[in-house]
This record gives sequence, C-alpha cells and structure tokens, in this order.
Amino acid sequence: AQSVTQLDSQVPVFEEAPVELRCNYSSSVSVYLFWYVQYPNQGLQLLLKYLSGSTLVKGINGFEAEFNKSQTSFHLRKPSVHISDTAEYFCAVSASGGYQKVTFGTGTKLQVIP
Amino acid sequence: GAVVSQHPSWVICKSGTSVKIECRSLDFQATTMFWYRQFPKQSLMLMATSNEGSKATYEQGVEKDKFLINHASLTLSTLTVTSAHPEDSSFYICSARDLPAGTDTQYFGPGTRLTVL
Repeated sequence: AQSVTQLDSQVPVFEEAPVELRCNYSSSVSVYLFWYVQYPNQGLQLLLKYLSGSTLVKGINGFEAEFNKSQTSFHLRKPSVHISDTAEYFCAVSASGGYQKVTFGTGTKLQVIP
Repeated sequence: GAVVSQHPSWVICKSGTSVKIECRSLDFQATTMFWYRQFPKQSLMLMATSNEGSKATYEQGVEKDKFLINHASLTLSTLTVTSAHPEDSSFYICSARDLPAGTDTQYFGPGTRLTVL
C-alpha cells in the first residue's frame, strides 16, 4: 500500500513570493505521483503528474514539481504566486502500472497574502 | 481536456429520504469511475470504484446497501444515498479514469454538496 504525507496544513505566502508545498510518499513499489488543486466548493483539478521519465515535471498555472526517489518526495513549487493561487493543494500517489487506487494526502491550504 | 460533470451540485433532503447523484464523463468514455467523500477541511476518502457493466467495489467500512452505485454506461455512474441521515451530509466527488496509452489520470467532477436535515 502507498501513503502520502503533507506536513504543512497551511502555508501563508506573500503575493509574488516563491512557494514550496511539501509532499513525501511511502511505497514498496514504483509509483505515479500527482498534485491536484481544489478551489472552495469545487472538485479537484489536476496540476501536474509524474509517471516516468524526467524528474522535473511542469504543470499548469506555472507550477512545477520534482520527483526525488531517494528522498521519496514530490514537492510542488512556484516561483511567484498570485492571489488566485489561494486554494487547497493535494498530493496523491498510486502504484504504477495498470489500474491502481489513488491515495490522497491531507492537503495544504495555500494562502496568498496581498 | 477531459471533463467530468456532476448533478446536482447541491441538494438538501429530509432524513430518511434517498438521494441520487449523477457523474458523467462528457468527452471521453470511462470504464472506471470513482466515488469519494470529503468532510470539511479534510482529504478525499475513496468510497467505491465503479466499473461499467459490473458491480462496484467498495472500500472497507463503506456500507454497500446504503451507498448504491450503478455504472450503466461508459459515460454515466450514479451514487444513491439510501435512507439518508444527517451524518451522511458531506461533499461527494466523483472522478473518471481516462486511459489513453501510457497514462492513468483521474479527472474529477465539481462535487455535490449533500445536506440531510
């Protein structure tokens, strides 16, 4: 089974400052990794995903994440945040290959301060 | 990109009644759909996996007789909360897998807010 840990429940950051949202995972097999964003009272939108290949993954809205197998991490970064980035961010993991259940972290609330 | 819709977006019902929530994949066929439940300020908890043309697979602790799932076509799955009670009030989100070769991504619906009085 896989598990995901998002250590930070809330991350406040000033507008135009850089941000990193941390995600660590645990798995005994190869994994796929995902970051989703959820705006209030809405479903989840896929930001980016790592399936294989380059460990640096670029997603929508200027976000990127780096897969680090040795540290079992998949931290999400953005060099300059906007007010519109205020939302809940979920890291998720599944075992690779075919249908596998996706496990979500507990989420990190990003609060962008004007 | 792939779009998943849910209907209704919100519903209020009396205790003891049943509520049906629809999940549709609008521009792709989804052999597998998932139903999640999300409590306030918490993560998503997988309730069940819905496979077209077969019985749903429920996660441990989820009552299959209370949360009825039907996946009658490649674009529609329904979740029926039977004899709803206030503790069933929650945000229900569905997702559908889009499986072009080499990828495995879930696309999420906008969610349904259920309030049971």
